[in-house]
Amino acid sequence: EADIYQTPRYLVIGTGKKITLECSQTMGHDKMYWYQQDPGMELHLIHYSYGVNSTEKGDLSSESTVSRIRTEHFPLTLESARPSHTSQYLCASSQGGSSNQPQHFGDGTRLSIL
Amino acid sequence: QQPVQSPQAVILREGEDAVINCSSSKALYSVHWYRQKHGEAPVFLMILLKGGEQKGHDKISASFNEKKQQSSLYLTASQLSYSGTYFCGTESGSGTYKYIFGTGTRLKVLA
Repeated sequence: EADIYQTPRYLVIGTGKKITLECSQTMGHDKMYWYQQDPGMELHLIHYSYGVNSTEKGDLSSESTVSRIRTEHFPLTLESARPSHTSQYLCASSQGGSSNQPQHFGDGTRLSIL
Repeated sequence: QQPVQSPQAVILREGEDAVINCSSSKALYSVHWYRQKHGEAPVFLMILLKGGEQKGHDKISASFNEKKQQSSLYLTASQLSYSGTYFCGTESGSGTYKYIFGTGTRLKVLA
């Protein structure tokens, strides 16, 4: 059973604030991902990592940054939140190696920027 | 390039069948299928690794046609619990770790 945790679950905050969304997994997975998803819409990859000290940008242009200092932790930071950042953010992880490993998702963070 | 799913949305009555297609403009090395219920995170359903492979999971099965760069998900005798959005997913190229999801298909099963 997958164990991947995201905090906070919900966040309502004002424009211009710095935000960090936390994501941790206890499975020792090498690969981790951040997706942005509006309700009922597609999953857009914004960042991914294939191991410690490796991070890559996804297809969706994002003003966020990520870090991967420890295998289990993959936080996402918005330096200055704007209303356009309002969305759901999903973190996922998968085992390293070949492409036959599925993604395991956290419960997500619903972010609202006022 | 994101895989394209069809149809975009489908409404069924309980007991009816449905097919969801996932087509890619790039070679597919493996395909995963997920279901996302409203307000929840996507949940992995099954993986297809080889061309022509078909897998089954209860009354949900899938096929993978490597030559046509597409996969199909078959839902037989649908139940209310099948409602949700279905996504196919794949790594975007051999040897990369970049994972991409299809455009999604919303499925609603009515009593």
